Amino acid sequence: AQRVTQPEKLLSVFKGAPVELKCNYSYSGSPELFWYVQYSRQRLQLLLRHISRESIKGFTADLNKGETSFHLKKPFAQEEDSAMYYCALRVGDQGGKLIFGQGTELSVKP
Amino acid sequence: NAGVTQTPKFRVLKTGQSMTLLCAQDMNHEYMYWYRQDPGMGLRLIHYSVGEGTTAKGEVPDGYNVSRLKKQNFLLGLESAAPSQTSVYFCASRQTGTLTEAFFGQGTRLTVV
Repeated sequence: AQRVTQPEKLLSVFKGAPVELKCNYSYSGSPELFWYVQYSRQRLQLLLRHISRESIKGFTADLNKGETSFHLKKPFAQEEDSAMYYCALRVGDQGGKLIFGQGTELSVKP
Repeated sequence: NAGVTQTPKFRVLKTGQSMTLLCAQDMNHEYMYWYRQDPGMGLRLIHYSVGEGTTAKGEVPDGYNVSRLKKQNFLLGLESAAPSQTSVYFCASRQTGTLTEAFFGQGTRLTVV
């Protein structure tokens, strides 16, 4: 079955602390993984995709096929990072639909 | 540079009423999607389309219908609204190809009373 799991509904950290938002996936094919972010009452926007191996707003994510994980990390959290974060898996068949995890709300306290 | 636009932004319906949500994109994208967002459940795919004139069911299609008569528009219909359809609805579009970004609309907040 194709599935994305984000085990934490809420992650609360203090400013300057490291952050790791967990994402695990289940997919028999070659995965394409993304992180989307949704700031308060705004539309979702792309944060990272696994192929680019880039750092956006200080966030990085590494695809670990052995552990079927795509965790999102940032060494020093900022208050403006507070948002909902969604991990998404693109399934190659059936029109390339995106399957989302349940989301993790990140709260960065001052 | 409009991107993906959803109409309306807010709506309150009575149980049994019908309505149509409109999604319009100006990026000439082939793929379009309708999701619903509920607390603790993330985004769940309702229906999607891989091109003009085509539609397919997603994860939670019951109670909804869709049409893609024009490439730029993807309509989501509720024929007889139920309180369980109270949700925030997001439309998204994406170009074909691997690892292409999905662009989202601003959402429609629907309440069924």
